[in-house]
Amino acid sequence: AQSVTQPDIHITVSEGASLELRCNYSYGATPYLFWYVQSPGQGLQLLLKYFSGDTLVQGIKGFEAEFKRSQSSFNLRKPSVHWSDAAEYFCAVGPMEYGNKLVFGAGTILRVKS
Amino acid sequence: DAMVIQNPRYQVTQFGKPVTLSCSQTLNHNVMYWYQQKSSQAPKLLFHYYDKDFNNEADTPDNFQSRRPNTSFCFLDIRSPGLGDAAMYLCATSRDQGPQHFGDGTRLSIL
Repeated sequence: AQSVTQPDIHITVSEGASLELRCNYSYGATPYLFWYVQSPGQGLQLLLKYFSGDTLVQGIKGFEAEFKRSQSSFNLRKPSVHWSDAAEYFCAVGPMEYGNKLVFGAGTILRVKS
Repeated sequence: DAMVIQNPRYQVTQFGKPVTLSCSQTLNHNVMYWYQQKSSQAPKLLFHYYDKDFNNEADTPDNFQSRRPNTSFCFLDIRSPGLGDAAMYLCATSRDQGPQHFGDGTRLSIL
């Protein structure tokens, strides 16, 4: 069965510093991969997605992620973090089948210190 | 803007009293999903409608039901809420296997 691991429950970075959030997945075939962000009390907003093609994908708000098949990873990066990036980030994998059911990782809470 | 709208944002109900949560969308997506998200946890899929076809997850309790009267609306019914059902309930939509778009959720409290 597919699964997603986000090893870091909490991460704290200084404003202006670079960021990398880790995501590892387990899936038998080529997955659809997603990163979502959730601010407190809000729904999930899609940051970026990988379906196929170029393994480096660009998203909204200056985020990017790189799909590495050999490492089963899809890490999220941002070169310079802003205080407004403080939120919870979820990595998700979607199988290429009926209905695109998503399996989410446990999430990483990002804190930004000024 | 096209969007997914959930009403109400906050819902309080009594233990055992049926409650209905609402989701509407202007995206004209054919797939609609309901997720349960408990505090500090990832969203967990309860069920989804692919067009008119209902797909229940194997571990979704029978207490949870859903209705989709038309493309735009989907409802989550909890027949007899227990204390363990207090959570954020998220509605999402997609066009076939495309990315899912989420509403802001309904936070359900049980007294």
